Amino acid sequence: EVQLVQSGAEVKKPGESLKISCKGSGYSFTSYWIGWVRQMPGKGLEWMGIIYPGDSDTRYSPSFQGQVTISADKSISTAYLQWSSLKASDTAMYYCASLGEWELLGPGAFDIWGQGTMVTVSS
Amino acid sequence: SYELTQPPSVSVSPGQTARITCSGDALPKQYAYWYQQKPGQAPVLVIYKDSERPSGIPERFSGSSSGTTVTLTISGVQAEDEADYYCQSADSSGTYPLVFGGGTKLTVL
Repeated sequence: EVQLVQSGAEVKKPGESLKISCKGSGYSFTSYWIGWVRQMPGKGLEWMGIIYPGDSDTRYSPSFQGQVTISADKSISTAYLQWSSLKASDTAMYYCASLGEWELLGPGAFDIWGQGTMVTVSS
Repeated sequence: SYELTQPPSVSVSPGQTARITCSGDALPKQYAYWYQQKPGQAPVLVIYKDSERPSGIPERFSGSSSGTTVTLTISGVQAEDEADYYCQSADSSGTYPLVFGGGTKLTVL
């Protein structure tokens, strides 16, 4: 079964660092872009950025460039999203998702999603 | 920054047709995608490349494109279709980054 499994919920204080993970299984992890999507409480989806695990090519939304770091370890089929200094405004649900076959679905289709990781930042 | 504009809400009675629009200047040049999100769940892709339907998505879901507007149409709406719907696309400068529309809450009366 093709799936993405994300790490568990986190509660952090402002200024702390954090790295959350997304582990792929059931498919060739290095062959498909993986992206991250933010959803603040009661709000819509926001496209943060994507990484190609095969060569770590990374693209960010201008809104998130410099605010987060997306990385991947292809040896363990895992993508990461990290913060060096969290803010209260980072409180949100974060989803990872895999971009499907370009030739079939086009370049923007997130066809497999993780279950989400809730990050709460509060003093 | 590039924006995709959706109506905040659409309401229809069961069995009727719901149409959710998404407007953006680059839509004539870029593919659009649609996602359904139910409360407490991850989004699900329901339309790709403007009008294609993934396997497993009911035939009542369809997509279309006209100029700077794309439309998600749900024919014969069922109670289970009540959800938030988001369009997604890119601006005219390239494939990435992508953006999501603000989302539309579909209410089945």
